[in-house]
Amino acid sequence: GAVVSQHPSWVICKSGTSVKIECRSLDFQATTMFWYRQFPKQSLMLMATSNEGSKATYEQGVEKDKFLINHASLTLSTLTVTSAHPEDSSFYICSAKIATSGWYFGPGTRLTVT
Amino acid sequence: KQEVTQIPAALSVPEGENLVLNCSFTDSAIYNLQWFRQDPGKGLTSLLLIQSSQREQTSGRLNASLDKSSGRSTLYIAASQPGDSATYLCAGAGGSNYKLTFGKGTLLTVNP
Repeated sequence: GAVVSQHPSWVICKSGTSVKIECRSLDFQATTMFWYRQFPKQSLMLMATSNEGSKATYEQGVEKDKFLINHASLTLSTLTVTSAHPEDSSFYICSAKIATSGWYFGPGTRLTVT
Repeated sequence: KQEVTQIPAALSVPEGENLVLNCSFTDSAIYNLQWFRQDPGKGLTSLLLIQSSQREQTSGRLNASLDKSSGRSTLYIAASQPGDSATYLCAGAGGSNYKLTFGKGTLLTVNP
């Protein structure tokens, strides 16, 4: 089946620094990828839709200047958390959709901001 | 705005039991519905996808159904095993915009 990878799987950073998370579709091309955030014991909340070659579309309440998304190729989308703060600590998951078989999710990235 | 509710929030059963997880959604104009499994600290594993023209899907011991008129989907797990212990999430997309709305999940524990 389709595979979506994420890197890194976990990262610890200091408050005020920026962190980049990569999402790759390994065996298919994805013109659209999605970024979700999941807090402990909560469900996934869509943050933004990443479109290859154009600007990302952000959900209401998500700061576009804080969560920078770049979808530079058909297999790679990146999420950069700028000037991270402890409240940004969360589990970030990306996904991509194949028309005939649904959504595929990456393994997630655990971000801890100290 | 689509809202997805999953009942129960947690379920504990003995090994071998058949069980049903429920999912309801507020907007019947649902395009696709997908069930996922999430193990602690991990990403999501797709279980079953029900597309707009379908009413149910089966894979092994799993069967998912979708009733758009009542706004409900169920996931049936037959002969449960301890390895089935995980959080099960249902998610729906309205129209073809590919945006998934998730329920909060059902935490399933299957006891040996």
